[in-house]
Amino acid sequence: EPEVTQTPSHQVTQMGQEVILRCVPISNHLYFYWYRQILGQKVEFLVSFYNNEISEKSEIFDDQFSVERPDGSNFTLKIRSTKLEDSAMYFCASPEDKGSYEQYFGPGTRLTVT
Amino acid sequence: RKEVEQDPGPFNVPEGATVAFNCTYSNSASQSFFWYRQDCRKEPKLLMSVYSSGNEDGRFTAQLNRASQYISLLIRDSKLSDSATYLCVVNGGAQKLVFGQGTRLTINP
Repeated sequence: EPEVTQTPSHQVTQMGQEVILRCVPISNHLYFYWYRQILGQKVEFLVSFYNNEISEKSEIFDDQFSVERPDGSNFTLKIRSTKLEDSAMYFCASPEDKGSYEQYFGPGTRLTVT
Repeated sequence: RKEVEQDPGPFNVPEGATVAFNCTYSNSASQSFFWYRQDCRKEPKLLMSVYSSGNEDGRFTAQLNRASQYISLLIRDSKLSDSATYLCVVNGGAQKLVFGQGTRLTINP
């Protein structure tokens, strides 16, 4: 199974602070996605990113969120001013092949906002 | 109506039993369908894609009925290691995935 990695595995932050979550998608892939899962709830789509641009985003992905691919391999999800309700698991995902809908998920970052 | 709706569960079945999960989706334009499994506090893992003709992978069989917008997963000869939450997933356009709430399955020895 293709490997997607994420760091950190757990991030604790205070309300109002900025956090950056990192992902290394399947190598040489141009598509990647962020999802989140609040404890006990379903997995929700946040944003898709293709060729260094956002291709689609959900209502959750407001101005507090941003995504970047700063160095051509890693990509980041930034939350500018965290709120208590941002506490969740954040997963990045990558398709195995260009054009494939089968997405492989990283192990996730557990974000706890206090 | 929810985009993807699943049996609420939980399902508790003895080892060796056959268990079936059902799922309905609301977007008739959806083209791709999947079952993922998720262990507690872990990432979703792709179990199998679901094709119109139905497909089988070992003890797992998936079926798709486009007319009814219905997807199913059958697990035969269940093992203790099958205990997990099973997620029905549909593509929601532009490759994003839309997840159901999931059905928790516990296999009892």
